[in-house]
Amino acid sequence: AQSVTQLDSHVSVSEGTPVLLRCNYSSSYSPSLFWYVQHPNKGLQLLLKYTSAATLVKGINGFEAEFKKSETSFHLTKPSAHMSDAAEYFCVVSDKAGGTSYGKLTFGQGTILTVHP
Amino acid sequence: SAVISQKPSRDICQRGTSLTIQCQVDSQVTMMFWYRQQPGQSLTLIATANQGSEATYESGFVIDKFPISRPNLTFSTLTVSNLSPEDSSIYLCSVLILSRTDNYGYTFGSGTRLTVV
Repeated sequence: AQSVTQLDSHVSVSEGTPVLLRCNYSSSYSPSLFWYVQHPNKGLQLLLKYTSAATLVKGINGFEAEFKKSETSFHLTKPSAHMSDAAEYFCVVSDKAGGTSYGKLTFGQGTILTVHP
Repeated sequence: SAVISQKPSRDICQRGTSLTIQCQVDSQVTMMFWYRQQPGQSLTLIATANQGSEATYESGFVIDKFPISRPNLTFSTLTVSNLSPEDSSIYLCSVLILSRTDNYGYTFGSGTRLTVV
């Protein structure tokens, strides 16, 4: 079985300050982990993914995430927030190999990021 | 990566009627999935669309309400039957791409926004 917990439903930051969106996961198999962003009335956009290569994953728009197996975490960070980063972010897990969950994505509940001028 | 054409992009339907959503992929894909995103909620997997056989439904979703077809490796439909206002959601199809390097990723359709009146 797989599950995802996004620890904050809302995060508010000032423009130019760091962003931290927290995610913990549970997976029975070697997981793949993703962060997606969804702007209002827009589709899902992949920010980055971890699929068992380097544990520090760099994505688009200056975002990065670190896979920490010992902590079962995959937190998303960005050094300096921009107004255009305001959106909803989803942490997603997939069991990469084996089991009845293979290929299925389990989404976290989402974190709404607000960026203040 | 694959390109998905999902139709319609939005619709307003009367309660008691049905809506069929189409998902066309520009290449053959291993796995196709259908998700639902209720207002203000995260995405929930409805079912895995299996080519040439009955779809595999997640807990809480049944074939009579959400019949799915997948006649080939590039096309699938989801029907939402006997519509009620509670079915008002965004419905998305997604495909799993397995590359030659065994690295994989997911592509999402742009979604169908259904409003039931």
